[in-house]
Amino acid sequence: GNSVTQMEGPVTLSEEAFLTINCTYTATGYPSLFWYVQYPGEGLQLLLKATKADDKGSNKGFEATYRKETTSFHLEKGSVQVSDSAVYFCALSYGNNRLAFGKGNQVVVIP
Amino acid sequence: NAGVTQTPKFRVLKTGQSMTLLCAQDMNHEYMYWYRQDPGMGLRLIHYSVGEGTTAKGEVPDGYNVSRLKKQNFLLGLESAAPSQTSVYFCASRSFREGTEAFFGQGTRLTVV
Repeated sequence: GNSVTQMEGPVTLSEEAFLTINCTYTATGYPSLFWYVQYPGEGLQLLLKATKADDKGSNKGFEATYRKETTSFHLEKGSVQVSDSAVYFCALSYGNNRLAFGKGNQVVVIP
Repeated sequence: NAGVTQTPKFRVLKTGQSMTLLCAQDMNHEYMYWYRQDPGMGLRLIHYSVGEGTTAKGEVPDGYNVSRLKKQNFLLGLESAAPSQTSVYFCASRSFREGTEAFFGQGTRLTVV
């Protein structure tokens, strides 16, 4: 089937630290991959995406590269800010443009 | 640009009551979806629609019904609410083009007591 696995547990780090959130997927074919972010009390919004292997998505200092060989799409940011505190979801697109989501990671950035 | 609008934003129901959640989008998207979000579970697809007059089941459809009488609206109904349906519900819409992003509403927080 089509599924997404994110690393377990919240992530707490200091301002200006390096952030990595792991995401691996299982899918038939070559799906488009996405990272969505959810700020407190809000809906999800697209952070970045990649539609084919080796593509790199980037936005607001965040990056993720579509790795077909490792079926991964890890999210990285070199220097986080307090305003990056949110929940981050990895997702893939499959039949009828449906999205399968990972369980999400709460990121807390401490000043 | 309103995008995707959900009503209501909050609701408390008693077990056995019914209600309808409304989702409206103004982007002329073909596809619309209802998800529920529960702690530690991510988002799970309840039902979806690929066009006006069509609906299909997602991964957790039991206890819910949907209708898409107009392209811009997607309704989610609970006929007899149960405490297990306490959740945050999100509607989303998306173009038919592969690789495009989904746009989400701000959510409806539903509590069933």
